[in-house]
Amino acid sequence: DIQLTQSPSFLAASVGDRVTITCRASQDLNSYLAWYQQKPGKAPKLLIYTASTLQSGVPSRFSGSESGTEFTLTISSLQPEDFATYYCQQLKSYPSFGPGTKVDIK
Amino acid sequence: EVQMVESGGGLVKPGESLRLSCAVSGFTFSNAWMSWVRQAPGQGLEWIGRSKSKSVGGTTDYSTPVKGRFTISRDDSNNMLYLQMNSLKTEDTAVYYCAAEVGNPSFDFWGQGTLVTVSS
Repeated sequence: DIQLTQSPSFLAASVGDRVTITCRASQDLNSYLAWYQQKPGKAPKLLIYTASTLQSGVPSRFSGSESGTEFTLTISSLQPEDFATYYCQQLKSYPSFGPGTKVDIK
Repeated sequence: EVQMVESGGGLVKPGESLRLSCAVSGFTFSNAWMSWVRQAPGQGLEWIGRSKSKSVGGTTDYSTPVKGRFTISRDDSNNMLYLQMNSLKTEDTAVYYCAAEVGNPSFDFWGQGTLVTVSS
């Protein structure tokens, strides 16, 4: 099974901050990695797929990158609506999710 | 507009069964790979299984915790996805979401979720 780790598990940030979340995979994913945003009581929302492709309708302040088995989600300027939990997901084999990163207000 | 609506959740006792449904509209259901994902209270997302489209064999895959107890089926003529859950355990308590892969390797669309509580 492919394992995903995320860091940090929690971060506190202010509006306007640049935020970076890292997801590490236990093996090569051939870029089959997606990022989701989830707010309390809501279903997850797709942000990015194939590591760096922005889903239609998602603001351009969100971006994704990869370097080997390390993937990064960056929010260039945090907005009030971005406080949420973020999950990475691999779809190279049976899908699995990372443990999540909660972004909270500082 | 895409709509995915889960139903069938509720309170059941350990060992009992429950069947969840997911009604889909707004995309070509028969071409989609459909998954069930659950989220235990206060926890992260857990993929539990999927149904591939008939164009690639229509097979199903399951995660280890539910294999042999849960069964995913689909009705392409009525755009419905199902999750039959047998021998339920307290650790199956979660919100259950259906999710769709419609072309890209990602879960493009999600339902709103339905809560399953397993408790004596």
